[in-house]
Formats: sequence, C-alpha cells, structure tokens
Amino acid sequence: EVQLVESGGGFVEPGGSLRLSCAASGFTFYYYAMNWVRQAPGRGLEWVSSIGASYDDTYYADSVKGRFTISRDNSKNTLFLQMNSLRADDTAVYYCASTIVRDNAFDVWGQGTMVTVSS
Amino acid sequence: DIQMTQSPSSLSAFVGDRVTITCQATQDISNSLNWYQQKPGKAPNLLIYDASNLETGVPSRFSGGGSGTDFTFTISSLQPEDIATYYCQQYDSLPLTFGGGTRVEIK
Repeated sequence: EVQLVESGGGFVEPGGSLRLSCAASGFTFYYYAMNWVRQAPGRGLEWVSSIGASYDDTYYADSVKGRFTISRDNSKNTLFLQMNSLRADDTAVYYCASTIVRDNAFDVWGQGTMVTVSS
Repeated sequence: DIQMTQSPSSLSAFVGDRVTITCQATQDISNSLNWYQQKPGKAPNLLIYDASNLETGVPSRFSGGGSGTDFTFTISSLQPEDIATYYCQQYDSLPLTFGGGTRVEIK
C-alpha cells in the first residue's frame, strides 16, 4: 500500500525551528518528486515547497523562501522540511504529497502534521 | 503568480441536485488544472486531473471541463457523502496555486 506518514509537528515559539519528516512506503521513493502543502486553521490549501527526484531541484513559495529547506534521504525513503525563523502565520497542518501516478497532480497525501507557532 | 478564483465560496443543494463550481485563472493555463475534495479533518483527495480526466476509483457523477482561463467542476447528482470542500489547483507554473475552496452542504 502506498503511504506517506508525516511527523515532527508541535508547538514552537516565534523565531524557533522545527523539522518535519515524511516517511514513504509502498512505492519507489527515489523515482518521484515530493512536495509539502500546508493549510492554516479554517483556511485553504497553500503549496509550500517541492523537491525533484534529483536532490538539486528544489522550489519554494515566496512566503517560506530563505526560512524553510526541503530535503530528502532516498536511502531512508524520507522527505524533510526544516523550518527556521518560524512566524505565527506558519501555523498550519503540513501535508506531504506526491505525484506518483499522475505527473502533475498530488495523487498521494499524508495525514498531515500540525505546527503551532505561538508565544 | 497565477491566481485561481473559485466561485461560489459555499453552496447548499438538495440530494440529487446538479452542482457546478467554477474556477478562473488570471492567465491562460491550457488544461493544467486539478480538482480535489477535502472532507473535514482529512487530507485532500484528487478527483480530476488535467482539467477533465476522472481519477481512478472516483465516481462518475464527478466531472471537470474547461481550458485556458475558465474551468468548471460538476457533481451531476449530489450525494450525502459529497459534503466537503472542493479546491482547484493549477500546475502551469510555479508557484503552484489553489483556489480558495468551495464548501458544499446539503439542504
């Protein structure tokens, strides 16, 4: 079964850091690009970042550029999101998502992990 | 950035009704559009890809259409299990952007 499982969310003060992980199983992880999408409480979906199957291809939303870093460990089938200089408006559920069957659509999603930034 | 405008933001309809949601892009995106369903507390679920293709396993009452800047998403006969929020998403260019969502309720 294809599965994505996020972890690492929690409560952090403004200016703090957090590292999210997304463990993948059931598919050949290193073949596929991976993504992070977030959803603030009661709000819509926002694309955050993407990484290609090759480690060199990384992309970020302007709202997180310079503060967040996406990475992957293909030997451990795991995607990461290092989040630094966190702000209150980063509070959201963070989903990892992949485009496994459909080249340009998020056809597999994790269950999400909640990040709360507050003093 | 390409902005995606969905309308309406919410709607209420009877079981069996035909429901249509529109999504408009600020520039031509050809057919580079997907539709997702999100139920409360759950991750989104892909329903339609490339504007009009039904994802495997998705009921045929769901359909999508359009190209360029104007797109539609239709539920031909609304069912109780369709209560959810629906989002369009363009992938023509980065940043990937979503519409604001349409909450669908039963009257």
